[in-house]
Amino acid sequence: DVKVTQSSRYLVKRTGEKVFLECVQDMDHENMFWYRQDPGLGLRLIYFSYDVKMKEKGDIPEGYSVSREKKERFSLILESASTNQTSMYLCASGQLAYNEQFFGPGTRLTVL
Amino acid sequence: AQKVTQAQTEISVVEKEDVTLDCVYETRDTTYYLFWYKQPPSGELVFLIRRNSFDEQNEISGRYSWNFQKSTSSFNFTITASQVVDSAVYFCALSKRNTDKLIFGTGTRLQVFP
Repeated sequence: DVKVTQSSRYLVKRTGEKVFLECVQDMDHENMFWYRQDPGLGLRLIYFSYDVKMKEKGDIPEGYSVSREKKERFSLILESASTNQTSMYLCASGQLAYNEQFFGPGTRLTVL
Repeated sequence: AQKVTQAQTEISVVEKEDVTLDCVYETRDTTYYLFWYKQPPSGELVFLIRRNSFDEQNEISGRYSWNFQKSTSSFNFTITASQVVDSAVYFCALSKRNTDKLIFGTGTRLQVFP
């Protein structure tokens, strides 16, 4: 079974803190994705990566950065957390566009 | 521009009722892919089905069935004889060939009451 794991299910941070969200997949997938999910807005793509050290902006990259030093690991970084980044963050991996993406359980981040 | 619309925000049914979740998409591409995902209360999205734009055959998997109609740009999902375990948020999504990006609808929350 494909496994995508995320470092935390729940996280509470303060405004201005630097926040790291970690995602690991065990299926040797080339592609990895970070989404945020908000009520009424569905899932929106923040960043994605086709390969190690490669990244591309999604639809809402502002306020975020990413790092992919190893194929299996894709990190989302909030350089200076703000309250409007309170959300559910979902990581996914996949091999090709028209194959399904496999999702992790999500991290619910609250920024106070 | 590509877009996916799920007009039904929330649907409530009683167990054993049939329910249809609507999905309407917009794209100018001739080759594209459509998906349905289920998000149970645990939070993890679960893949249900993928359809490519050249295959308009309806698909049935147990109590689940999907109706793809290019003429109306719709990819609707029907659950027959719903069960409490079907309670979840369901997302429809679209991607085009040779891109790795999924465009999601806003989701439909289905509540099935015993």
